[in-house]
Amino acid sequence: ETGVTQSPTHLIKTRGQQVTLRCSSQSGHNTVSWYQQALGQGPQFIFQYYREEENGRGNFPPRFSGLQFPNYSSELNVNALELDDSALYLCASSLKDSGKGNTIYFGEGSWLTVV
Amino acid sequence: GNSVTQMEGPVTLSEEAFLTINCTYTATGYPSLFWYVQYPGEGLQLLLKATKADDKGSNKGFEATYRKETTSFHLEKGSVQVSDSAVYFCALSNTGGFKTIFGAGTRLFVKA
Repeated sequence: ETGVTQSPTHLIKTRGQQVTLRCSSQSGHNTVSWYQQALGQGPQFIFQYYREEENGRGNFPPRFSGLQFPNYSSELNVNALELDDSALYLCASSLKDSGKGNTIYFGEGSWLTVV
Repeated sequence: GNSVTQMEGPVTLSEEAFLTINCTYTATGYPSLFWYVQYPGEGLQLLLKATKADDKGSNKGFEATYRKETTSFHLEKGSVQVSDSAVYFCALSNTGGFKTIFGAGTRLFVKA
């Protein structure tokens, strides 16, 4: 148990639709990151939020957007869904500090299937 | 840019065999290195980590040593069990904790 919870666990959407995925961070963690894990691949960094602002972004188009709320929970929104968006979406929380690379703690993910 | 390369799988071993999964990295600065494990149908769990050169991370019988001279962080276990069957990901995070970069993963099957 990492204390990071995600919802929903599974969902199916149609191409062109929009989806919102939700994440509750581990208690005390102020940074949340989102990753996309396609089948058979490693997780790919989408973006990170710290203090409710985007703090870095990977190689994903603008139709991938996010929010972080004052309680550090987060949402990932994907517009205009494409078939290739089908993947496991992982949320990870961590505590941002000035030291060495932080350990991130993952939720169990949301499986998105686009048909 | 930063990257992680790990050996391709699947790796199939008999119970009690010795395990090595190779991982090498390319990075600027002095990253922290991690191994994560993913059991079927689950998210990723941190297995072990090392934050500086020559550090050894260990957990549940698994070990990995941060080798800066060879830019490697190989995962080892002396005697694997069927319950170790999973996908193992090597990862790095640069100083400051910005995004974690993962390798493609190595699937391990352990036969009884």
